[in-house]
This record gives sequence, structure tokens and C-alpha cells, in this order.
Amino acid sequence: DQQVKQNSPSLSVQEGRISILNCDYTNSMFDYFLWYKKYPAEGPTFLISISSIKDKNEDGRFTVFLNKSAKHLSLHIVPSQPGDSAVYFCAARDSGGSNYKLTFGKGTLLTVNP
Amino acid sequence: DAGVTQSPTHLIKTRGQQVTLRCSPISGHKSVSWYQQVLGQGPQFIFQYYEKEERGRGNFPDRFSARQFPNYSSELNVNALLLGDSALYLCASSLTQGGYEKLFFGSGTQLSVL
Repeated sequence: DQQVKQNSPSLSVQEGRISILNCDYTNSMFDYFLWYKKYPAEGPTFLISISSIKDKNEDGRFTVFLNKSAKHLSLHIVPSQPGDSAVYFCAARDSGGSNYKLTFGKGTLLTVNP
Repeated sequence: DAGVTQSPTHLIKTRGQQVTLRCSPISGHKSVSWYQQVLGQGPQFIFQYYEKEERGRGNFPDRFSARQFPNYSSELNVNALLLGDSALYLCASSLTQGGYEKLFFGSGTQLSVL
């Protein structure tokens, strides 16, 4: 069963507008959430993270929001740029685990049109 | 500084064969994790090694094994290859075993099983 769900396989936005990528999770033991960006033929690159004790974390054009009661997080990119076009993965860490295992969603392909 | 390096980048094998994939972590990183990414899915956790000891194992059969060397590099070995083992195999490193750390991924080894 999918513990981390990214229900939108793809998203297309215009350059300069806001991109909002969504992620839902089912495991209440998840305590740390990360977003990774992946270009073709490259490995995932860390983008931004948030601990479960926070509800917002911001880094430049990227902001992640966490709603624990809804088990939902979102990544906002403002303004979107063509270079942001990539697959975005939401990932979560289980606080009950003894290791640094991440559980990933299936990813959302973001296309930013010039 | 060199990032996580993986070799080979691409590999073609036939069913029943065995394969060894290699990973060198970022200098100073003591933890290495392996993930399998099947087309259209997010990366799935296979193993984590820290200080040469296995610290976590995902839901993969015993055909999958790994080890970590004194210099913290790692090998992933898959025996009796099946068609379903065709995937991108990602190696990731981090400084320590856990905590609120991000993983740094290599570009992966694309394995095709014919």
C-alpha cells in the first residue's frame, strides 16, 4: 500500500506563476518530510524539508506547508521558472525506524512553460 | 567536492545472471543507502549501511545483498536476475545513520534485464 501519495502525475504552469505540488501520507509515525527534484538521467536532488513540529518552511522561491491533522503537505514554487521543470518527489521518514529509510511518492512531473 | 558516484551507469544482463553495482559516497559520509526506482514509481528502499554494518533492509528478497567497505564505499549484489529487477538503482549517502539529515543521491545505475 502507498504510504506516500502524489495523486497528480503531472502539472503544467506558466512561467512566473505559482506551482503547487501536493502530497498526502497515511503513516502517522512519519516525522520528517522532504522534497526532491529529479532531472532525467540524474539522481534526485534535495530541495527542501520540514519537521513535523513545524507547519511551514521557506527557502527562497520554495515553501513547504505541512498540515498534520490532514496528513497533507504541499510544495509551493513562486515564481516558477522553466528550469524548475522536473519530476518532484515527496518523501517521508518514519520516526519509529532505526535507520534513515525514506518512503517516496510516485512523483509529479512539473512542466513550466515559457 | 565529488558527489556520490555510481558505476556502471548502464548495464544489460539476462535472466538468471548476477550483477554487482558500486557506489562511492561523498567524502566523510559514513552511511550508504540503496534504492530501487522502477519506471513510473518513486525510489524504494533496499538497504542502509552505516559503519560497515547493515542497519536496515527493505522488502526485497534474499537475492539482494550488499556490503560496505572500510572506506565507506558500497556494493549492491543481485543474484538470479529477473525481468522485474530492471530498474534504476540509486545509491545515497549521508553523514550519519539518521536524524534530520538529507540524503545525497548519485545518478544511478540503469539495469536492464532481458
